[in-house]
Amino acid sequence: AQSVTQPDIHITVSEGASLELRCNYSYGATPYLFWYVQSPGQGLQLLLKYFSGDTLVQGIKGFEAEFKRSQSSFNLRKPSVHWSDAAEYFCAVGARGGSEKLVFGKGTKLTVNP
Amino acid sequence: NAGVTQTPKFQVLKTGQSMTLQCAQDMNHNSMYWYRQDPGMGLRLIYYSASEGTTDKGEVPNGYNVSRLNKREFSLRLESAAPSQTSVYFCASSPGTGATNYGYTFGSGTRLTVV
Repeated sequence: AQSVTQPDIHITVSEGASLELRCNYSYGATPYLFWYVQSPGQGLQLLLKYFSGDTLVQGIKGFEAEFKRSQSSFNLRKPSVHWSDAAEYFCAVGARGGSEKLVFGKGTKLTVNP
Repeated sequence: NAGVTQTPKFQVLKTGQSMTLQCAQDMNHNSMYWYRQDPGMGLRLIYYSASEGTTDKGEVPNGYNVSRLNKREFSLRLESAAPSQTSVYFCASSPGTGATNYGYTFGSGTRLTVV
């Protein structure tokens, strides 16, 4: 069964600084990988996803993520953080074939200082 | 353009009471899911329905039942609510056709408190 680890529970950055949120997964083959964002009191919104091909994927709101098979990682990055990026971010992994159920990490809460 | 609609948005129950959380999607998706979100625990899968007419247990199914009423609707029932079921519940749907369509659309959640 697949699993996801987000090592950082809480990250604080200054507005305009760069951001990297870490995600490590466990799965026997190449998985489907996702990043979701949740603003306070809201549902989850898809930022980006990786299925195959180019290992650097672009998403909405200026985010990107890179799939590194050798490190079992799918880290999320943004060159310059805006105050509106403050939210909780979830990495998720899905298995190829069969059910489309996703396994989510425990999340990383991002605080942005002015 | 509603996507996934959950009702109610908020609910307070007394221990032992029952209730049903409703979820409907208008995207003609085959697969639907119920998750619960607790602080520091992320989202955990309760039940899912890969297609109309099928349901399967997820990671934390105890104390819950589900019904896939038709292709659009997937309800979650708490027969005898317990304080441990205080949580935020999310319904999600996905196309269920594999490959590049793979991915969830989430509802806005139901915040349930059991006292």
